[in-house]
Amino acid sequence: SYVLTQPPSVSVAPGQTARITCGGNNIGTKSAHWYQQKPGQAPVLVVDDENDRPSGIPERFSGSKSGNTATLTISRVEAGDEADFYCQVWDSSSDQGVFGGGTKLTVL
Amino acid sequence: EVQLVQSGVEVKKPGESLKISCKGSGYSFSTYWIGWVRQMPGKGLEWMGIIYPGDSDTKYSPAFQGQVTISADKSISTAYLQWSSLRVSDTAMYYCARHEGTVWDAFDIWGQGTMVTVSS
Repeated sequence: SYVLTQPPSVSVAPGQTARITCGGNNIGTKSAHWYQQKPGQAPVLVVDDENDRPSGIPERFSGSKSGNTATLTISRVEAGDEADFYCQVWDSSSDQGVFGGGTKLTVL
Repeated sequence: EVQLVQSGVEVKKPGESLKISCKGSGYSFSTYWIGWVRQMPGKGLEWMGIIYPGDSDTKYSPAFQGQVTISADKSISTAYLQWSSLRVSDTAMYYCARHEGTVWDAFDIWGQGTMVTVSS
């Protein structure tokens, strides 16, 4: 089955840029999406494969992908961005969705 | 407002059956895939399966195939996740979520989650 690999944790100082990666075989050819989950809350879509953000998500959040890596970039990080982030794709070969293991973003 | 509202907290014993629900509103329920996602305590998100309410086409993760049943009643805009015999290891938060369009699209709307606790 298709596997997505994320770093368990990323730490960044306020105002800096956070980059969270999601590795998967030829993920550049798939539709990759990113979700943010704060403690005690349901996940929220922050960036979809078209690099579109739902209403209310700041422009500071953006996505990109190439080859075997998709990346969520958060510019000018704020304390309120601290959360777990998950990537997700649809794997056509197995006809199922897949989530990455999640990355905990810590704002120092 | 487009939303998914899930049924409430469940506390069950091993071996019991359970059916939890996810009711959609504010959009054409029949024409969007609905997925179910498990989150065990302190763990990440796991994709369980999805259903297209319009024709009940269903796809399961191999990890959950045969362990749960996903269904939907489009007449009342509700999707379901059910177990015939619960295990302690089924203790988790379960979320339903709507695909924006096709199965390749993101889950753009999420339910609030249903906490299921299985304990003797």
